[in-house]
Amino acid sequence: QQQVKQSPQSLIVQKGGIPIINCAYENTAFDYFPWYQQFPGKGPALLIAIRPDVSEKKEGRFTISFNKSAKQFSLHIMDSQPGDSATYFCAASKETSGSRLTFGEGTQLTVNP
Amino acid sequence: NAGVMQNPRHLVRRRGQEARLRCSPMKGHSHVYWYRQLPEEGLKFMVYLQKENIIDESGMPKERFSAEFPKEGPSILRIQQVVRGDSAAYFCASSPPVVGTQYFGPGTRLLVL
Repeated sequence: QQQVKQSPQSLIVQKGGIPIINCAYENTAFDYFPWYQQFPGKGPALLIAIRPDVSEKKEGRFTISFNKSAKQFSLHIMDSQPGDSATYFCAASKETSGSRLTFGEGTQLTVNP
Repeated sequence: NAGVMQNPRHLVRRRGQEARLRCSPMKGHSHVYWYRQLPEEGLKFMVYLQKENIIDESGMPKERFSAEFPKEGPSILRIQQVVRGDSAAYFCASSPPVVGTQYFGPGTRLLVL
């Protein structure tokens, strides 16, 4: 019940395309859903996060869509650029102070020029 | 405001040796988390600490692994008698006492020969 399932495992798009990464969770106690971006050899960097009281959140070219009834959420990257090529992780936690993050398996995104 | 700091960034140990990984949280952050990332996998929670207290160690292997966060100084993740399966990237994250957002360090990449 603690799992977060992420798909696809890898994704290749052309510059300007809109890659979409999907995640599904089981634990209905989760109430905080961040996305992290990780470049090779670096630590994960917080990209954007959403709470279940909203269905969509947009920050710049990054948008999270959230479907509470389906227990699914997704990341959309508008006008993708080669510099967006990285591994993306969804995660979930209970947003009390000190709650562990449960991560998805990661999606390796490649944006071709 | 400096981010989460980890050292060393790379660590090579022979089987049977000890590995000590250090993490200094962001200024004002009193919560520290350790995660492990095996090659081509997502991050797995290991332990959550506050100053002088282990709050949740449910992700720690039962033997050889220990963690501490003393009143003064960095948090330490200690792996005794390392084995090749311990080779991984170990990430530390910190969060402030009220808001649960976790910020990650650059990681320590441990290689066991």
